[in-house]
Amino acid sequence: AQRVTQPEKLLSVFKGAPVELKCNYSYSGSPELFWYVQYSRQRLQLLLRHISRESIKGFTADLNKGETSFHLKKPFAQEEDSAMYYCALSGTGFQKLVFGTGTRLLVSP
Amino acid sequence: DAGVIQSPRHEVTEMGQEVTLRCKPISGHNSLFWYRQTMMRGLELLIYFNNNVPIDDSGMPEDRFSAKMPNASFSTLKIQPSEPRDSAVYFCASTSQGGKGFGGYTFGSGTRLTVV
Repeated sequence: AQRVTQPEKLLSVFKGAPVELKCNYSYSGSPELFWYVQYSRQRLQLLLRHISRESIKGFTADLNKGETSFHLKKPFAQEEDSAMYYCALSGTGFQKLVFGTGTRLLVSP
Repeated sequence: DAGVIQSPRHEVTEMGQEVTLRCKPISGHNSLFWYRQTMMRGLELLIYFNNNVPIDDSGMPEDRFSAKMPNASFSTLKIQPSEPRDSAVYFCASTSQGGKGFGGYTFGSGTRLTVV
């Protein structure tokens, strides 16, 4: 079974501080991992995916298969980063995405 | 492309009434998903379709919920009768299979349902 765990419901930091949003997954096969972001009352948007190994808006995430983690990081948080962040996993076969429960990031000035 | 289009954006209805939510996926996408978002439970997958065929409806809460996809460009999620606990934001998402890997979903703007 596929499962995604985001242990923190809320992460509150000051502007300029480093940010790490935790995501752990459970899947027996070879997963594809994603981070989605939802700004206030807007649609979910794809932020990044592990196969792209890209940096979007200063965020990066590295898939650690040993620790089954895909934590989202940013060295210096900005106020506009305040949003809801969802980690998601897709397994092999049909491309159903399983989402974590989300972490709300609040960046204060 | 206008993206995934959902209607209505907001719906307020009385308990017991029938509610129909609509979704138009991105042209060319052959998979469609309905999610429900609440503060308590986050994003829950209700049902998904592949090539207009329902693949897994195990997330549908109960028989009051039903979903259809009569063609590749339209899907509905119906709640009959509605109850206050159905109040949530309902998202539709679509994606295409094939190609080099799975690129993730494109979400609609959601329908905010309030049942009073």
